[in-house]
Amino acid sequence: KNQVEQSPQSLIILEGKNCTLQCNYTVSPFSNLRWYKQDTGRGPVSLTIMTFSENTKSNGRYTATLDADTKQSSLHITASQLSDSASYICVVSPYSGGGADGLTFGKGTHLIIQP
Amino acid sequence: KAGVTQTPRYLIKTRGQQVTLSCSPISGHRSVSWYQQTPGQGLQFLFEYFSETQRNKGNFPGRFSGRQFSNSRSEMNVSTLELGDSALYLCASSFPTGQESYEQYFGPGTRLTVT
Repeated sequence: KNQVEQSPQSLIILEGKNCTLQCNYTVSPFSNLRWYKQDTGRGPVSLTIMTFSENTKSNGRYTATLDADTKQSSLHITASQLSDSASYICVVSPYSGGGADGLTFGKGTHLIIQP
Repeated sequence: KAGVTQTPRYLIKTRGQQVTLSCSPISGHRSVSWYQQTPGQGLQFLFEYFSETQRNKGNFPGRFSGRQFSNSRSEMNVSTLELGDSALYLCASSFPTGQESYEQYFGPGTRLTVT
């Protein structure tokens, strides 16, 4: 069964600190992996997308890494800001061009940045 | 371009009632997907429409239904509401392009509370 596991479930860090969120998946075949940021009460917004051949992708202070051999991804946030407080969701797609039913979503990591 | 819009944003209904939620995709997007998001389960796929046809359906009871109109706008309907239907309902539109296909753009969601 395709699964995406995220850890930790929740995390509290001080403003200005760095943090790393983890995503392990058992989806097969594998096409791409996305990280979304979801602010409270809002829809998810895409941060990065990585295909099988990519092992790192940056979007400002967000850097995602992918190890397709171990089926692990991480999202590193540098110099955290209060606006980074949100849920971060990892989503894996088994094939390109496929439909939404093929996507496997993690349950997310709830990140709180404290001043 | 305007983003995905969903109406209403908030809704309170009583058990046994029915509800209709609306989603307007990004202009030019022909695929619309619906998701239910609850704290315990994360995002769960409901159904996907493409050019007025239901392409895929998730593992939800028949009380959940949807449709798509010729202008790509979509509605979902939940009949005989149950307390467990309380959730954030998200709509996402997409326009597949190349390897990074199936990039989904989410709306802000409709928060449904069933009492």
